[in-house]
Amino acid sequence: QVQLQESGPGLVKPSETLSLTCTVSGGALTSYSWSWIRQPPGTRLEWIGNIYYSGSTTYNPSLKSRVTVSVDTSKNQFSLRLSSVTAADTAVYYCAREANPRRPGRFDLWGRGTLVTVSS
Amino acid sequence: EIVLTQSPGTLSISPGERATLSCRASQTVSSRFLAWYQQKPGQAPRLLIYGASNRAIGIPDRYSGSGSGTDFTLTISRLEPEDSAVYYCQQYGTSPWTFGQGTKVEIK
Repeated sequence: QVQLQESGPGLVKPSETLSLTCTVSGGALTSYSWSWIRQPPGTRLEWIGNIYYSGSTTYNPSLKSRVTVSVDTSKNQFSLRLSSVTAADTAVYYCAREANPRRPGRFDLWGRGTLVTVSS
Repeated sequence: EIVLTQSPGTLSISPGERATLSCRASQTVSSRFLAWYQQKPGQAPRLLIYGASNRAIGIPDRYSGSGSGTDFTLTISRLEPEDSAVYYCQQYGTSPWTFGQGTKVEIK
């Protein structure tokens, strides 16, 4: 049974870089695309970006200048870096699997999410 | 980007009744690439419906989806107490993928 688990600091200072890792257990990263999605308190979900296991990425234009998603197939992990954070980046961050790499954007498996607070 | 607007904001329904949730898109959702998710407090979203009308693995047939173009509907027939949750629609026809603001279903 494939499971996803987010990890990383729960508190980040303004202007610094938020870094999270998603570990995939019970299955391989290969043959799928993997996404980061966030949910600020009390608001809707926002797709951040994704990465195919080969390394090709697509980002939400609203965050593209600050986002980097990378993959480490040897560790079965993929990661998110979001630079120059502000309080508006405070959110629960989820990693998720995209069910069909030929038609990305449908998320069939999610991590439990991790709350990241941006505050000094 | 495509903006999704869900209605109503909150739905309060008795067990055994039918719940009808609406999702309207600001532009046509190509090829019916519209999904519905259920989210309970403190949990990650769970995929219910994809391709507007296809149930995901393990989803009971009480859940059904319909619609095309800009108007989509999630119907929960024979509501059960465990259906209490927030339901989100999401389009994945045009990048960036976007979500609606959610409909909260409360069980009376």
